[in-house]
Amino acid sequence: QAGLTQPPSVSKGLRQTATLTCTGNSNSVGNEGAAWLQQHQGHPPKLLSYRSNNRPSGISERFSASRSGNTASLTISGLQAEDEADYYCSAWDSSLSAWVFGGGTKLTVL
Amino acid sequence: QVQLVQSGAEVKKPGASVKVSCKASGYTFTSHFLHWVRQAPGQGLEWMGLISPSDGGTAYAEQFQGRVILTRDTSTSTVYMELSSLTSEDTAVYYCARELGGHDHWGQGTLVTVSS
Repeated sequence: QAGLTQPPSVSKGLRQTATLTCTGNSNSVGNEGAAWLQQHQGHPPKLLSYRSNNRPSGISERFSASRSGNTASLTISGLQAEDEADYYCSAWDSSLSAWVFGGGTKLTVL
Repeated sequence: QVQLVQSGAEVKKPGASVKVSCKASGYTFTSHFLHWVRQAPGQGLEWMGLISPSDGGTAYAEQFQGRVILTRDTSTSTVYMELSSLTSEDTAVYYCARELGGHDHWGQGTLVTVSS
């Protein structure tokens, strides 16, 4: 099944801003937008945003999501050590009638 | 508060089947789809399928068609994932997750190990 494309790794310094990207197609990201998940080693994923720019309650405003065409982005401002994690995007693909995930981006905070 | 509590770790032999449960609480069970997602060691997330607790309707990822069955028991607010014809490639942590736009609540995960 066609998945979403994410860069494998991103590195940024403390207090800097990181922008992660996720590319799909018109049936997935370009249709209903993407969701973003954060996963720390050994823990289940945690939802950070959904339908491109909706943040669940309790999620810091430092995490903001957007979409342009078939590409979704997650911007994390004021990077903190605890932001070091794997980040996944996901979307419903209407042509496949399936959820698809990106391969994940490992964010390293230097 | 919303909770999804999964059954414990399993060890299975190749060719066997495994059935994992996910008990929901803290919300109206029939109001949200529940999904199953797995993660092989050191790998990313892989969607397996979803079930509608209200009517039992299902959708499966193409790669699992014919090998996975999702069911639910509304009397106990529990969904089940049964995967058959296991191979070593099925060794993974299996998660259930509630859908609200994205997957907003996750179970703790169930490790399934397939080994002879």
